[in-house]
Amino acid sequence: GDQVKQSPSALSLQEGTNSALRCNFSIATTTVQWFLQNPRGSLMNLFYLVPGTKENGRLKSTFNSKESYSTLHIRDAQLEDSGTYFCAAEESNYQLIWGSGTKLIIKP
Amino acid sequence: EAGVTQSPRYAVLQEGQAVSFWCDPISGHDTLYWYQQPRDQGPQLLVYFRDEAVIDNSQLPSDRFSAVRPKGTNSTLKIQSAKQGDTATYLCASSFDWDQNTLYFGAGTRLSVL
Repeated sequence: GDQVKQSPSALSLQEGTNSALRCNFSIATTTVQWFLQNPRGSLMNLFYLVPGTKENGRLKSTFNSKESYSTLHIRDAQLEDSGTYFCAAEESNYQLIWGSGTKLIIKP
Repeated sequence: EAGVTQSPRYAVLQEGQAVSFWCDPISGHDTLYWYQQPRDQGPQLLVYFRDEAVIDNSQLPSDRFSAVRPKGTNSTLKIQSAKQGDTATYLCASSFDWDQNTLYFGAGTRLSVL
């Protein structure tokens, strides 16, 4: 089954609106990473999280280890935020287990 | 600081042909990963190294795939006899243990096997 389940699988937003992406984990994990893969295919690391919250510009991410989930909030969405967002959970053997991604389209 | 460099960017093969992918990680990064990403799916780990040692290659199809990192810096991933099911983007990433294992990815090699 899905050890790292992302939702929604796809999302379309108007420019300037806010959204929240979510990852639920069915494995024990100590850290979570969020990545954005842009439409050209480049993967960029957004956050590396231990339990808690980090913020970077219009992005904010929380990892709740007790309830086994992580969220990524996008505020004031811009066209360049379009792409596929992946979360990945680190297992005890340091390997990353990846979600299947959320495809985000920002419309002008 | 230069990022992770991969070459070639694209490759098109007939079934049965061989191909090699090359990766130059970020200088000083001790850990190097090779991922396979089929279209519309997340990356799937094939193999990873710490310095020159293979740490985990359990997901690498060993009959046709091989990977080396002889000096603990650059790495080569080779497919001996490509199949149509190998069509995917091959991503290299590197990380530094002291940097919380944050992964930095190269641009990938997009492989099409006809």
